[in-house]
Amino acid sequence: SQQGEEDPQALSIQEGENATMNCSYKTSINNLQWYRQNSGRGLVHLILIRSNEREKHSGRLRVTLDTSKKSSSLLITASRAADTASYFCAPVHGSGNTGKLIFGQGTTLQVKP
Amino acid sequence: DAGVTQSPTHLIKTRGQQVTLRCSPKSGHDTVSWYQQALGQGPQFIFQYYEEEERQRGNFPDRFSGHQFPNYSSELNVNALLLGDSALYLCASSPETGLGQNEQFFGPGTRLTVL
Repeated sequence: SQQGEEDPQALSIQEGENATMNCSYKTSINNLQWYRQNSGRGLVHLILIRSNEREKHSGRLRVTLDTSKKSSSLLITASRAADTASYFCAPVHGSGNTGKLIFGQGTTLQVKP
Repeated sequence: DAGVTQSPTHLIKTRGQQVTLRCSPKSGHDTVSWYQQALGQGPQFIFQYYEEEERQRGNFPDRFSGHQFPNYSSELNVNALLLGDSALYLCASSPETGLGQNEQFFGPGTRLTVL
């Protein structure tokens, strides 16, 4: 399977806490992308990490990539109620614009005020 | 700069009918992909269009077809609707080359209900 598998499936935390979600994949990648989806709406691209990168930051987001373990993690620091959403990882296996993102079921994050 | 737009927002059809969904890509994007997202699931890739041709296709039957126009906008057609086609249909666009060629910009989706 070329899709990423997110873990946990659901996560509930208090506002201000950190949220960590993980993604595992099975075949070598060109890059791995994380997306967020608010309830019933389109996906929003959060961050892209290339196979030769180990860590990347964007605001309160921190993504790590371990190609030896074929896994990635997304850390959201100091979470806010507005971070409540589903989060998906998409490992990209080809170079160039493959356009074909393969998503798993995602992690549903609930941040309680 | 408008992002990806889709129409209609919601649609209700009955089994056996045909439906057409529309997508306008983000300005400067020439590649359009379509995804189906059933409730509680991740989006599933249907197909991608580039230069008015279907370039890649996911595991969907021939009832699902599409088209891309010279202005890069796209349509998704579904024939002989089944109850199981009820889903959120997402359109995504990206540039074929240059910065951001791997990042997909998604539209808000069209919610299709088949009764």
